[in-house]
Amino acid sequence: QKEVEQNSGPLSVPEGAIASLNCTYSDRGSQSFFWYRQYSGKSPELIMSIYSNGDKEDGRFTAQLNKASQYVSLLIRDSQPSDSATYLCAVRLDTGRRALTFGSGTRLQVQP
Amino acid sequence: DAGVTQSPTHLIKTRGQQVTLRCSPKSGHDTVSWYQQALGQGPQFIFQYYEEEERQRGNFPDRFSGHQFPNYSSELNVNALLLGDSALYLCASSLVNREQFFGPGTRLTVL
Repeated sequence: QKEVEQNSGPLSVPEGAIASLNCTYSDRGSQSFFWYRQYSGKSPELIMSIYSNGDKEDGRFTAQLNKASQYVSLLIRDSQPSDSATYLCAVRLDTGRRALTFGSGTRLQVQP
Repeated sequence: DAGVTQSPTHLIKTRGQQVTLRCSPKSGHDTVSWYQQALGQGPQFIFQYYEEEERQRGNFPDRFSGHQFPNYSSELNVNALLLGDSALYLCASSLVNREQFFGPGTRLTVL
């Protein structure tokens, strides 16, 4: 079982719709959770971090965390073609381990 | 405020050679982490440097080594290159245990 799992996609949504990206993780000791966006040929860009159960909103992005279900998600409202990218979920234990463990990413395509 | 910088941008080497990649962290950051990203995969953690010491290491052979300088910049060295070392090498800077911000990466091709 992979430590961090994401559906590879592609996830295709029409412009203006809500895109929902999901991630599950295996280590219950994980404490910190991050979403990165990576355009083709570029490096990952941090878009959201979340540390507590519940929702965290930042502009069109909402991160949702459920530690009991070991599940973290990213919602993108009013999706734009410029949101088309690969979205990487990353987790960190925060107890002596500082490394980020990444999923393989979900490719999002927003259709104009 | 300069972000994370990496050099070189691209590099082509042959099997058996050695390579050194460089990273300068974002202003105010003191921690540098290195990751390897193969095509179609998420980044894989190589190691992290803080206070000029390797603090944590991922599952990479000791052909991969690093260094952090007093100004917090860092180098990643890879010896005896293999074809499988071809990847995007990413440097991330942070304050220890805070959000990590990535540089543009170095694309290494081993022929």
